[in-house]
Parts: sequence; C-alpha cells; structure tokens
Amino acid sequence: KAGVTQTPRYLIKTRGQQVTLSCSPISGHRSVSWYQQTPGQGLQFLFEYFSETQRNKGNFPGRFSGRQFSNSRSEMNVSTLELGDSALYLCASSLEAASTDTQYFGPGTRLTVL
Amino acid sequence: KNQVEQSPQSLIILEGKNCTLQCNYTVSPFSNLRWYKQDTGRGPVSLTIMTFSENTKSNGRYTATLDADTKQSSLHITASQLSDSASYICVVSARDGGFKTIFGAGTRLFVKA
Repeated sequence: KAGVTQTPRYLIKTRGQQVTLSCSPISGHRSVSWYQQTPGQGLQFLFEYFSETQRNKGNFPGRFSGRQFSNSRSEMNVSTLELGDSALYLCASSLEAASTDTQYFGPGTRLTVL
Repeated sequence: KNQVEQSPQSLIILEGKNCTLQCNYTVSPFSNLRWYKQDTGRGPVSLTIMTFSENTKSNGRYTATLDADTKQSSLHITASQLSDSASYICVVSARDGGFKTIFGAGTRLFVKA
C-alpha cells in the first residue's frame, strides 16, 4: 500500500502571496489531518477532515483553510503569507478518526516565506 | 491550561544501552496518549497509542507506560540502536466538546557507536 503523499515537497513564496498544499491519504483512509511544525512551536494541529467535512480545528487564524474531496484527498490553503508561516506542513491520514486511530504521516511540505 | 512536558530535552546514550523518556501532562479530560518517533526531515511515525485503561503497550524494543492518576507516561527503549537516533514526541488528546491534541516539544535522542 502506498503511503501518504504530499506535494510539493518544497516551496518558496513571498509575503502576501497565497499557497495551496496537497495531500493524498493512504487508500481507504477517510480522515486527513494537517499539522504545522516549526523549531520554536513544535508540532501544532491545524485541522482534521472526514468525509469532506472539517471535524476538528486548531487555534490558527482564518488565513489557514482546507478542504477534502470525495476521494479523501485534501488540500490546505494559506492566504496572505507571513514570514512566520515558514514551517514544515505535515499531513496525516487515518482510517476513521485522527483522535483514536493510528495516524500515518506524509513526508511534509517545507514552506519558506521570504 | 492543557500542557504536555517532556524530559529530558536531549539525551546521548551508547549503542546497546537502555533509556527512558518522560512525558507529564495536564490535559483534561484525557482521551489518549501517543508516542511518535520522528527522524530528521521526515514525518512522525506512530509507536504506541494508549487510552485511560491501558498501563503498558509495547512495540518491539519500545515500551510505553501510562499512569493516568499521576498523569505521567514514559517510553522505554531497550538495547538501543544507531537508528533509534531521532526525536520522540508525546501527544495527548482530550475530548472536550470536540477533540484537542496537545504536542510535547519532544526529546532528541542521540545513540552513539
């Protein structure tokens, strides 16, 4: 079974731009979660999607949004980029629920905002 | 305030030795606790998941313990290998209306030959 894939792996943007990151979960997994990882803050939960609906949300501003498609693939969008958005963005998939099932992480997208 | 604290911040051990990493939490109401291993430049890999009623869970050379009364967990690594060099992250989930997920800052383990 193929693992979780994320595209692109690396991205460089400038302040004020917007960016869209993509995540393809493991086949059969219906829950997709997004996380931000920075050296200063560590790992932080962004949101979880299940059956095309946002099920849980972390404490991030509205500039961070996401969606999930009928095939469980998910995208995350960050608008009006700030320098502080530079981070590793990780996607994880699980069978039904991120809160109770084993989560499988992708390799991440490294976003640099200049 | 929901918090997860891990100790030590970093640890250096010799190959073949055992070690124990600590995780203390104040997350409430508790749902489950997970340990992850994260190699540099990679996504975390799940090691164990424990709910309130579970005291011990093993995954190969990794054994996690949970004391829900004192809100403490430990991850014991037996007969360490060079490939165990990584960050180990403790994550606690709380059921509070929806679900909250609180991450520890991690323990950076270096295994030397």
